[in-house]
Amino acid sequence: DGGITQSPKYLFRKEGQNVTLSCEQNLNHDAMYWYRQDPGQGLRLIYYSQIVNDFQKGDIAEGYSVSREKKESFPLTVTSAQKNPTAFYLCASSNRDWGEYFGPGTRLTVL
Amino acid sequence: GQQLNQSPQSMFIQEGEDVSMNCTSSSIFNTWLWYKQDPGEGPVLLIALYKAGELTSNGRLTAQFGITRKDSFLNISASIPSDVGIYFCAGQYSGRDMRFGAGTRLTVKP
Repeated sequence: DGGITQSPKYLFRKEGQNVTLSCEQNLNHDAMYWYRQDPGQGLRLIYYSQIVNDFQKGDIAEGYSVSREKKESFPLTVTSAQKNPTAFYLCASSNRDWGEYFGPGTRLTVL
Repeated sequence: GQQLNQSPQSMFIQEGEDVSMNCTSSSIFNTWLWYKQDPGEGPVLLIALYKAGELTSNGRLTAQFGITRKDSFLNISASIPSDVGIYFCAGQYSGRDMRFGAGTRLTVKP
C-alpha cells in the first residue's frame, strides 16, 4: 500500500528543546512539503523540496529546518528559535501538477 | 503568502440538504483542488480540476473550475452525517505555487 507516514502522532517537548518530525513516502513522488496548521486556520507552507538534496523556504520557515537526503524522506526539525511551535504539522508529497497527498499529521505540544 | 478567499467559513445543515461552498482569488490558477479534513487527520483529496470551465463529479460531490480561472465551487448533494469535516480549496498556478483557502467547517445535523 502506497502512502505517506508521519511519526509520531502526538509529540510533547519542553520549551527550548529541538524536536524532529518524521515524514516518509513510498509513492515515488519527487516533491515533498511541510505545512503548519493552527486551530481554525488553513495550511501554511514551511518548507518544500522538489528533488533530493534541494529544498526551499516556504512562507513561515523561520525557526524550522529540513533535509532531503533520500527521495522517500523529508524530516522537519522544529528548533528552539521557533517562537510558537505548538501546532498540527502536516507532510505532503506530489508529482508536479497532480495535487498533493497528505500524511496523517503530527500534533506537537510544547510545554 | 496570499491565501484564497473561501466561503462560507462554516455551515450548519440538516441531513439530506445540499451544500455549496466556493473559493475566489485575485490570481489565476491552472489547477483547482478540493480536500476534506477530518479532526486530527490529514486532508484527503476529493476532486482535482485542470481546465477552465471543467465540471467534475465524484459521487455526491461536484466541483467546477471557473471560466475566469480565478474561482471554483464545490457542491455536495443529499448530505449525510459522515460529510462532517473541514473542506479546503487549493489553487495552483505552476510548480510550487499552491495556495490554500482557510476552510469551510461543515456540520450535518441528523
